[in-house]
Amino acid sequence: DAGVIQSPRHEVTEMGQEVTLRCKPISGHNSLFWYRQTMMRGLELLIYFNNNVPIDDSGMPEDRFSAKMPNASFSTLKIQPSEPRDSAVYFCASSPFSDSPLHFGNGTRLTVT
Amino acid sequence: SQQGEEDPQALSIQEGENATMNCSYKTSINNLQWYRQNSGRGLVHLILIRSNEREKHSGRLRVTLDTSKKSSSLLITASRAADTASYFCATVENQGGKLIFGQGTELSVKP
Repeated sequence: DAGVIQSPRHEVTEMGQEVTLRCKPISGHNSLFWYRQTMMRGLELLIYFNNNVPIDDSGMPEDRFSAKMPNASFSTLKIQPSEPRDSAVYFCASSPFSDSPLHFGNGTRLTVT
Repeated sequence: SQQGEEDPQALSIQEGENATMNCSYKTSINNLQWYRQNSGRGLVHLILIRSNEREKHSGRLRVTLDTSKKSSSLLITASRAADTASYFCATVENQGGKLIFGQGTELSVKP
């Protein structure tokens, strides 16, 4: 089992550019979560999916953020346009069911200059 | 939004000592989970305790849950330098499946 795979591991971009973060959940897991971690705000839940359907996106900061899960093995989180305050570590996690323990990827460290 | 608040924010102990971390939360929960995060890595699940359970053990870990006080504690016995990490509690609310994390406790175990 390869675990949850996120790419890229690091992303440095300039303000105004589009950023796409990618996640491959563990095979067979039905729930997928996107979190953002910063020193100031800790771990924030952005959005989560059950069976590829977005269930709760109330944590998405604003319209610049969008997430998709076109199939059970792939999800993307897109920021367009990016801003310096979006700099953070973005984690993807998956679980077999919606209230079972999460398996986290190693995150994408995003720096927007 | 943050559901749990952890106490203390940072804890420094000597190897062999016990470490206790506390977590308080606000709403009714389905279960409470503890996770560990090493620097630069993703979180790793440690233990889950359901709302109808009061205590649970896993190796050197002991978790308690007091739903009347909306609080939980994580005890690590006979700590090792390798236990140095940040520890987070997270709750699953009754209404939905989303997992909300606290701010974490940074544990440092000195050899």
